[in-house]
Amino acid sequence: GEDVEQSLFLSVREGDSSVINCTYTDSSSTYLYWYKQEPGAGLQLLTYIFSNMDMKQDQRLTVLLNKKDKHLSLRIADTQTGDSAIYFCAESFSSGGGADGLTFGKGTHLIIQP
Amino acid sequence: ETGVTQSPTHLIKTRGQQVTLRCSSQSGHNTVSWYQQALGQGPQFIFQYYREEENGRGNFPPRFSGLQFPNYSSELNVNALELDDSALYLCASSFGQGYEQFFGPGTRLTVL
Repeated sequence: GEDVEQSLFLSVREGDSSVINCTYTDSSSTYLYWYKQEPGAGLQLLTYIFSNMDMKQDQRLTVLLNKKDKHLSLRIADTQTGDSAIYFCAESFSSGGGADGLTFGKGTHLIIQP
Repeated sequence: ETGVTQSPTHLIKTRGQQVTLRCSSQSGHNTVSWYQQALGQGPQFIFQYYREEENGRGNFPPRFSGLQFPNYSSELNVNALELDDSALYLCASSFGQGYEQFFGPGTRLTVL
């Protein structure tokens, strides 16, 4: 079955770059996503990448996809205190009947040090 | 443009009871998915509704059921509640199947 793995914690200093890594198993995933969750809140879609792309940049966010190794990363440039949150990697999968569910990792807690 | 909304925000039930959670999809979205997020875990896919029919389901028992209405809003019903059903229930809507999913703020369900 599908499985998404992420490290649980990442600590960076304010102003540095943060790199959050993720590995996935379903090579047929069409899209791979990064979501952000702040305490007590729902999920905010940050960015996504289509499976035939290697890289996508969106302002401070850069997504890199290595399909051969099934490895996805999210780089946040110039990390700010407002970036403190849990970041979830997710892959899309087909659940029969045309449904496209998402399989999430357990999330990476990004901790910002002043 | 209104985002995805969910009600209620919080809910406390006892074992064996039944609960109904509600979700209004984002304007223009016709597909709704439901997820369960246990404490400290990532969300898990429950099922997806498209054009008022369930068209895909995750590894959840039949006591988890749902509906989608003509205005694309949706309900999640859980019967015979168990302690392990305590979680944040998230609804997500999308423009269609295969499009990015946008999440609501969730309903926190506590089963005592």
